[in-house]
Amino acid sequence: NAGVMQNPRHLVRRRGQEARLRCSPMKGHSHVYWYRQLPEEGLKFMVYLQKENIIDESGMPKERFSAEFPKEGPSILRIQQVVRGDSAAYFCASSPPYEGGITDTQYFGPGTRLTVL
Amino acid sequence: DAKTTQPPSMDCAEGRAANLPCNHSTISGNEYVYWYRQIHSQGPQYIIHGLKNNETNEMASLIITEDRKSSTLILPHATLRDTAVYYCIVAGSNYKLTFGKGTLLTVNP
Repeated sequence: NAGVMQNPRHLVRRRGQEARLRCSPMKGHSHVYWYRQLPEEGLKFMVYLQKENIIDESGMPKERFSAEFPKEGPSILRIQQVVRGDSAAYFCASSPPYEGGITDTQYFGPGTRLTVL
Repeated sequence: DAKTTQPPSMDCAEGRAANLPCNHSTISGNEYVYWYRQIHSQGPQYIIHGLKNNETNEMASLIITEDRKSSTLILPHATLRDTAVYYCIVAGSNYKLTFGKGTLLTVNP
């Protein structure tokens, strides 16, 4: 059973370019979460998605960042016009469908390390 | 979600048990205690979680005090590959996992 997959593992962009980070959840998981880890800091929640729906994007910067989880294919975190401050590790996690209002265990991918030159 | 407090670092000899403490005095009744670890900037790895009873799996044991205000993660026979930052996280209906600074466990040969 493959785990959460993320690609690319390393991404280098120049300032002003676009970055696209992909996340394929574990089989059977329909919930995807994106977290960002700045150098020497802990992971910070960015966005929570279900298929074709953004449930909570309260952790996303208001500009330049967007996320989607289409009916088919991986979840995409898109950063437009990248700046040096976007350099970080971006982790995706997934969890199975849950009921009763109690979140289920999140399983993390290996991350994408974005470097902005 | 409730805040957690962990020591910044701990050392453990290889082959010995590693006991990592966590305080979560403001935990509420429907909140679980989760443990993750992050090995050298890899993705966080789920270890174990529990509500009120002690739990054990192939990786570790989780001991939760009766008042649920603290817990201890036990790695029964630590190896060098267990060197990592260990995060204790309290989570309930809020799916946003809050990662603090965790405990850097160093397993020494």
